[in-house]
Amino acid sequence: DVKVTQSSRYLVKRTGEKVFLECVQDMDHENMFWYRQDPGLGLRLIYFSYDVKMKEKGDIPEGYSVSREKKERFSLILESASTNQTSMYLCASIQSGGNQETQYFGPGTRLLVL
Amino acid sequence: KQEVTQIPAALSVPEGENLVLNCSFTDSAIYNLQWFRQDPGKGLTSLLLIQSSQREQTSGRLNASLDKSSGRSTLYIAASQPGDSATYLCAVNDYKLSFGAGTTVTVRA
Repeated sequence: DVKVTQSSRYLVKRTGEKVFLECVQDMDHENMFWYRQDPGLGLRLIYFSYDVKMKEKGDIPEGYSVSREKKERFSLILESASTNQTSMYLCASIQSGGNQETQYFGPGTRLLVL
Repeated sequence: KQEVTQIPAALSVPEGENLVLNCSFTDSAIYNLQWFRQDPGKGLTSLLLIQSSQREQTSGRLNASLDKSSGRSTLYIAASQPGDSATYLCAVNDYKLSFGAGTTVTVRA
């Protein structure tokens, strides 16, 4: 089974702190994604990566950056956390992005910014 | 920009009743549509994936239909059980996934 893991289930940070969210997948998938999920808004795509050191902006990239130094690891960075970044963050991966494949999701990180 | 809407936002039914969950999308130029399940505080689990060329897909008690021309999909869950209580999300793939806000289902024992 594909496994996608996220470094923390729950995280509490203060406004202005730099925050790292880590995601690791064990199936050698090429494509990885970061979403945030908020009540009533569904999942919104922040950034995605289709290869090592490659990244593309999603729908809401402002206030975030990403890093993909190794194929299995995709990090989301909040350079200066703000209260409006309090959310559930979900990481996902997929082999090639082909139209026959499904994305596999991690368990999520619930981030609270005070 | 693709917009995905799920109605209703919440649903409560007695055990044994059939569930009907609706999803609509604005741009019919899609590769596929997926239904996911999410339990509270957890990640998403894929239930069914329907290719744009397909009309329906079945897995056990679950059946999903797709009418691409009208921008609609319906997820049917037969003979609901308390274990079916969760949030169900629809996602449309038109090179990236666009999600609806979900329908939260409660099945009462």
